[in-house]
Amino acid sequence: NAGVTQTPKFRILKIGQSMTLQCTQDMNHNYMYWYRQDPGMGLKLIYYSVGAGITDKGEVPNGYNVSRSTTEDFPLRLELAAPSQTSVYFCASSYPQGGGWQQYFGPGTRLTVT
Amino acid sequence: QKEVEQNSGPLSVPEGAIASLNCTYSDRGSQSFFWYRQYSGKSPELIMSIYSNGDKEDGRFTAQLNKASQYVSLLIRDSQPSDSATYLCAVIPAYGNNRLAFGKGNQVVVIP
Repeated sequence: NAGVTQTPKFRILKIGQSMTLQCTQDMNHNYMYWYRQDPGMGLKLIYYSVGAGITDKGEVPNGYNVSRSTTEDFPLRLELAAPSQTSVYFCASSYPQGGGWQQYFGPGTRLTVT
Repeated sequence: QKEVEQNSGPLSVPEGAIASLNCTYSDRGSQSFFWYRQYSGKSPELIMSIYSNGDKEDGRFTAQLNKASQYVSLLIRDSQPSDSATYLCAVIPAYGNNRLAFGKGNQVVVIP
């Protein structure tokens, strides 16, 4: 299994541009998540999905959109990029194991908005 | 009140010593607790999960959970330079579709 994969690894956007961060998992996990991590901080949840066709907002959804048309893919869309969206973005998926749910992370996308 | 708090600053420990990290959480109904290790520029890596009160040991790592005190800790025995990383405490609150709430992390530096 490739696990959770994310593309691109790095991206520089100009203010006002749009882009889609891709996330794919091959473990057939129903639950998927998008986080952002600012320097020296923990991860904050942007959006999550409990299955194909179902998404919901996390702590910091403003400026982002998601869709979940398949179990495998959970893209994150940035509309009208702003400098405040400069961050590292992690996608994760989870499944139940050992009495709880464990999340596994992709390698991340480092985004700079200038 | 933050959902998960890790208040200690960077922790420097000599090689071979024990590193001790602490975390408190606010939702008394939380049932699942995790420690992630994150190397600089990398994604978080799950190293420990714990679901019931007491200690859980895995190699050089021991997680301790006290639900009454809403407290979870991580001990790293015989610390190695490769343990130098940021350690993130994460909790699944009782509400919210298995989403993780993270602390801001504690940096550990193991000095050879």
